[in-house]
Amino acid sequence: EVQLVESGGGLVQPGGSLRLSCAASGFTFSAYAMNWVRQAPGKGLEWLSYISSGATSRHSADSVKGRFTISRDNGKNSLYLQMNSLRAEDTAIYYCARDLADFNKYYFDYWGQGTLVTVSS
Amino acid sequence: QSALTQPRSVSGSPGQSVTISCTGISSDVGVYNYVSWYQQHPGKAPKLMIYDVSKRPSGVPDRFSGSKSGNTASLTISGLQAEDEADYYCCSYAGSYSYVFGTGTKVTVL
Repeated sequence: EVQLVESGGGLVQPGGSLRLSCAASGFTFSAYAMNWVRQAPGKGLEWLSYISSGATSRHSADSVKGRFTISRDNGKNSLYLQMNSLRAEDTAIYYCARDLADFNKYYFDYWGQGTLVTVSS
Repeated sequence: QSALTQPRSVSGSPGQSVTISCTGISSDVGVYNYVSWYQQHPGKAPKLMIYDVSKRPSGVPDRFSGSKSGNTASLTISGLQAEDEADYYCCSYAGSYSYVFGTGTKVTVL
């Protein structure tokens, strides 16, 4: 069974940093691209970042470019999101999602349950 | 990249059909046949319902169907059931391994 479990969320002050993790199991993690998607309270979904299966390609939304960095460790079956210079508007639930892009298919077939990040003083 | 435009809400009685539109531009929905739809119940993670405009993953009821014309994609739920009450989001590939989601639509079963 495919499982994605996010962790690392919490309360952080504006300007602070946080590193989110996503632990994958039930599939060959190194064969799949991965993404981070977030959802602000009461708002819609927002795509944030993509990383290819071998981490050779990464892309991010303009809203987080230069502040957030996606990475992965295929040996540990884990995906990460390093978030710096956090702002109040970054408050959201952060989801990791499996991507089929490396198979020339562009959609998210499995999602984690999300981890809440709150940016507040 | 601006969010795709969806109606804020749609509603229907059990057994009826509802259609949710998803309007993008020529550089996302209009050019790629990679529109997907996600169902999200309150407090839950999104669930894939439709991919590649009109394909259903295994386990998704066939009363969910998708289509696209020009810059607008649509999700139709036929034979509406109580458990279909949820938020629905469209998503389009936008090139260069980037994606754009829709604004979201709340489906209410009357």
